[in-house]
Amino acid sequence: DAGVIQSPRHEVTEMGQEVTLRCKPISGHDYLFWYRQTMMRGLELLIYFNNNVPIDDSGMPEDRFSAKMPNASFSTLKIQPSEPRDSAVYFCASSSDSISGEQYFGPGTRLTVT
Amino acid sequence: QQQVKQSPQSLIVQKGGISIINCAYENTAFDYFPWYQQFPGKGPALLIAIRPDVSEKKEGRFTISFNKSAKQFSLHIMDSQPGDSATYFCAARPNDYKLSFGAGTTVTVRA
Repeated sequence: DAGVIQSPRHEVTEMGQEVTLRCKPISGHDYLFWYRQTMMRGLELLIYFNNNVPIDDSGMPEDRFSAKMPNASFSTLKIQPSEPRDSAVYFCASSSDSISGEQYFGPGTRLTVT
Repeated sequence: QQQVKQSPQSLIVQKGGISIINCAYENTAFDYFPWYQQFPGKGPALLIAIRPDVSEKKEGRFTISFNKSAKQFSLHIMDSQPGDSATYFCAARPNDYKLSFGAGTTVTVRA
C-alpha cells in the first residue's frame, strides 16, 4: 500500500491567495483527519471525517478554512484568503474503523504564506 | 490548552543509554494512549500504544508504563541507538477518534 498521499509537499503563496491542500487516504480506511503542526501550538486536529461526512470541525481555526471529502479516496483542505499565520505543516491521516483506531499520517504539506 | 502535558522538551542520551519521556493528563475519559515517532520531514508514525487496563506494555526496546491513579504514562527507550533520534509525541483520546497530542520531546542519541 502506498500509504496516505498528500500534495503538494511544499506550497509557497502570497497573503490573500487561495490555497488547496489535497489528500488521498489509505484504501479501505473510513476515517480521515486533517492536522496542523506548528512550533508554537504543536499538533492540532482541525477536522475529521467518517465515511466522507464531517464529524467534528471544532478545530478549524476560522471561516477561512474549509474541508471537503467528495468521495472515499479524496479530501481537500482549503484556505481562502491565506494569511502568514497559516504557515505550518498540514498533515492528513487516515484510520480504519478498528478497535485500535491507529491513525496513519501522510508526509505533510509545508505551507509558507508570505 | 493542551490536554496532555509532556516533558522534557528535549533530551540527549548516549548510545546504549535509557531515554525516558513523561506525560500527564486530566481527562479521565481518555482510554487509549499512543506514542508517535516523527523524523524530520516525515509524518508521525505510531510507535506503541496502551490502554488503561494494563500497567505496562513492551515492544522491543520500547516500553510504556501507565499509572492510572496518577494519570501519568511514560515511554522508556532502552539501549538507545542513533537511529532513535527523533521527536516523540504522547497522545490520548476518549472513545472517539479525537487524539490530543503532547507538545513533543526531541531525543538526540549521541554515538
